[in-house]
Formats: sequence, C-alpha cells, structure tokens
Amino acid sequence: AQTVTQSQPEMSVQEAETVTLSCTYDTSESDYYLFWYKQPPSRQMILVIRQEAYKQQNATENRFSVNFQKAAKSFSLKISDSQLGDAAMYFCAYRSVYNSGSARQLTFGSGTQLTVLP
Amino acid sequence: GAVVSQHPSWVICKSGTSVKIECRSLDFQATTMFWYRQFPKQSLMLMATSNEGSKATYEQGVEKDKFLINHASLTLSTLTVTSAHPEDSSFYICSASWSPTETQYFGPGTRLLVL
Repeated sequence: AQTVTQSQPEMSVQEAETVTLSCTYDTSESDYYLFWYKQPPSRQMILVIRQEAYKQQNATENRFSVNFQKAAKSFSLKISDSQLGDAAMYFCAYRSVYNSGSARQLTFGSGTQLTVLP
Repeated sequence: GAVVSQHPSWVICKSGTSVKIECRSLDFQATTMFWYRQFPKQSLMLMATSNEGSKATYEQGVEKDKFLINHASLTLSTLTVTSAHPEDSSFYICSASWSPTETQYFGPGTRLLVL
C-alpha cells in the first residue's frame, strides 16, 4: 500500500515571500500521479498542481511549482510571492495509474496548515 | 470547467432521521465519484467509491447499510446517512472524475450536525 507523509503540520510565510511545503511518499509502482490540493477555510478542496511520474519536467502553475524527485520519492510544493489568499491547509496526494479497485483512490497526506503573515 | 456541486451545504437533523446528500458534476460526466469524511483539522478519509450504474465499493470499517450510496446517472451520486446519530456529525465531501485515471475534482462539502 502507498503512504504519503507531510512532516510539517504547520508553516508560516511572510506575504510576498517564498515557502516550500514538503511531501514524501512510498510506493512500489513506477508510474503514478501526484497532486497538491489546497483547502482554505471554506473547506472547498481545490486542485493546485498535478504531476505525472513519467514526466521528468516539474509541473508549474503560475506561482506554484513542484520539485519532483522520483528516486527520493519526494514531491515538494513551492509557493512564490505568497499572498494572503494562499493561507490554507495543503494536502499532498498520490494516485496509481491503474484503473481497478482501490488503485483509483487518492491517498492523502496529513496536511500542512499554511499561514501567510501580512 | 470541472465543477462539482453538493447539496445541501449545511444540514441539522434529529437523531434517528435519515439525511440525503447530493453530489453533482455540472460540466462533465463522472464515471466515478468518491465520498469522503473529514474531521476537524484532519485529512480526508475515503468512505466509498461510486461507479455509475453499479454498486459502490466501501472502505473497510464503513457500514454500507448506514451510508447508502447511489450513482444512478453520470452526473449524480447520492449519499444517504440512515438513522443518523450524533457520532455521524461530520463534514462530508464528494469528488468526481470523468475517467478513473483522471484528476478528482471536489465538491464544496456538506456539514452534517445530528442532534
């Protein structure tokens, strides 16, 4: 079974600064998907970024980028030019590429609560 | 695109009653929908996977007779909490994807309070 670990329960960053959230995972599969989801106080889960394991290039979405290290099984999220609206709980998630049974489900980390200081 | 709605967003009910929560994919057809439960300051716990036109697959420890899931169409799945009790009070979230290998998009969640 796959596991996802987020070792930072809480992080804070000054507005306009950069912060990196850590995520490690364990799997025996060679191909899979990784995600970062954001859950603001409204509790709506919002997809931030997605990475396919077969792609060597790190995914980027505007101010959000990842550092995907497949050999190290590490998938960190970098938020540049942090804004007050970035304050949220961030979840790292893993998903198998296989299409049957429990392989379709997301395995979530425990989350990192990000505070943005004005 | 990829919008998922949930209704109701808030529900308060008396112990012993049943509550139905709807999850709809508004701009795509969802072959697979997932139901999660989330306690405060915790991660999401998968309850069941719902496939259109077939029976839901429940996670270990989730009572299928208590949490009834129906996925009758490609845009609608429902979760019914039967004979609700205070310990069922929680935040319930659904997600949907248009294919099992695609990204899951989440609904806004439903807060259930059982008195």
